[in-house]
Amino acid sequence: EDQVTQSPEALRLQEGESSSLNCSYTVSGLRGLFWYRQDPGKGPEFLFTLYSAGEEKEKERLKATLTKKESFLHITAPKPEDSATYLCAALSGSRLTFGEGTQLTVNP
Amino acid sequence: NAGVTQTPKFQVLKTGQSMTLQCAQDMNHNSMYWYRQDPGMGLRLIYYSASEGTTDKGEVPNGYNVSRLNKREFSLRLESAAPSQTSVYFCASSGELVGELFFGEGSRLTVL
Repeated sequence: EDQVTQSPEALRLQEGESSSLNCSYTVSGLRGLFWYRQDPGKGPEFLFTLYSAGEEKEKERLKATLTKKESFLHITAPKPEDSATYLCAALSGSRLTFGEGTQLTVNP
Repeated sequence: NAGVTQTPKFQVLKTGQSMTLQCAQDMNHNSMYWYRQDPGMGLRLIYYSASEGTTDKGEVPNGYNVSRLNKREFSLRLESAAPSQTSVYFCASSGELVGELFFGEGSRLTVL
């Protein structure tokens, strides 16, 4: 059974304090690993797609990386507006499995 | 450009009542999806439609029906609502890149 596990469940950072979120996956034949951002009361917003181990994608203060077993979302010098829940999802065949998310709070 | 629009945003039902959640997308996407999101469970796929005229069951289809009315619209129907269907429902669409989903803002349903 496909499984996606995100850690930690919640993370509090001070503004400017860099950190990483983890997404571990167990799927047969990964076709893609996706990161989303979800603000309270809103739908998830697509951020990145990673297709193969070693691949990296960047957007502003966010960088996503992928290995054969996990993906990391690195947040460099975060700002309060980066506060949100970050979801990852793994695609195997036509089946997309979501993790439960990491709730990130960045304090000013 | 509205993207994915869902209605209603909020709904309270009594057990046994029926209702339909509406979804429309203006991105000319072929694929559309209905998910539910519950605390501690993540996003779970209820039904999806890979193209106009086709629908398939997802992970948690029991108690739901769907209709792909045309390329733009995909509705979700609860025939006899149960308290276990209290959840936040998201409609999404995707183009050629499966996994890159565009979500609506959600419909918050409470079944008493």
